[in-house]
Amino acid sequence: GESVGLHLPTLSVQEGDNSIINCAYSNSASDYFIWYKQESGKGPQFIIDIRSNMDKRQGQRVTVLLNKTVKHLSLQIAATQPGDSAVYFCAENMRYNTDKLIFGTGTRLQVFP
Amino acid sequence: DGGITQSPKYLFRKEGQNVTLSCEQNLNHDAMYWYRQDPGQGLRLIYYSQIVNDFQKGDIAEGYSVSREKKESFPLTVTSAQKNPTAFYLCASQRRRGADNEQFFGPGTRLTVL
Repeated sequence: GESVGLHLPTLSVQEGDNSIINCAYSNSASDYFIWYKQESGKGPQFIIDIRSNMDKRQGQRVTVLLNKTVKHLSLQIAATQPGDSAVYFCAENMRYNTDKLIFGTGTRLQVFP
Repeated sequence: DGGITQSPKYLFRKEGQNVTLSCEQNLNHDAMYWYRQDPGQGLRLIYYSQIVNDFQKGDIAEGYSVSREKKESFPLTVTSAQKNPTAFYLCASQRRRGADNEQFFGPGTRLTVL
């Protein structure tokens, strides 16, 4: 499910399985990262964030892993449910240096019963 | 409830017309942003504002204009100079500049040019 540019990659999983969504970020100076979930026709919703001084952070059923060496971010969703079906975006930011979040192109997660 | 509202949800425009999209937030956030989203693509930044009466161009500002007369409001005008305005427009706000906190998004406005 890694972002590959203009075409939106799709990850299909069965309900109850774990999902892993990947993101390659662009700037080695980025020090804050966010995962957003966007359902069809709606605005993105915050899922979880992580600072660059961490390599793992856990939330409710979600875990974000950060590998700064290869500029890679992943979102793990445990026991995927139909309500998890959405497009997932990663975003990066350089705190105190820029005013903008930089968004990836997203990965579509489809959950089948 | 605190949050961000956008109106209208759907907007239809004839070619050559200017239209204004509304964005209001009651989160007391300093920063506000406008993004454009095309099908199967990520978010592209149009304009952003860190404080009242100040705003900056984003990556695709041509054909758009904004104002920030009040902290709560950041309307976006899509002008006739925008050659391909049909898209999903998202407004967001953030507590303050440079902070490690997320941007909160509104529900979006889908603009269609007829």
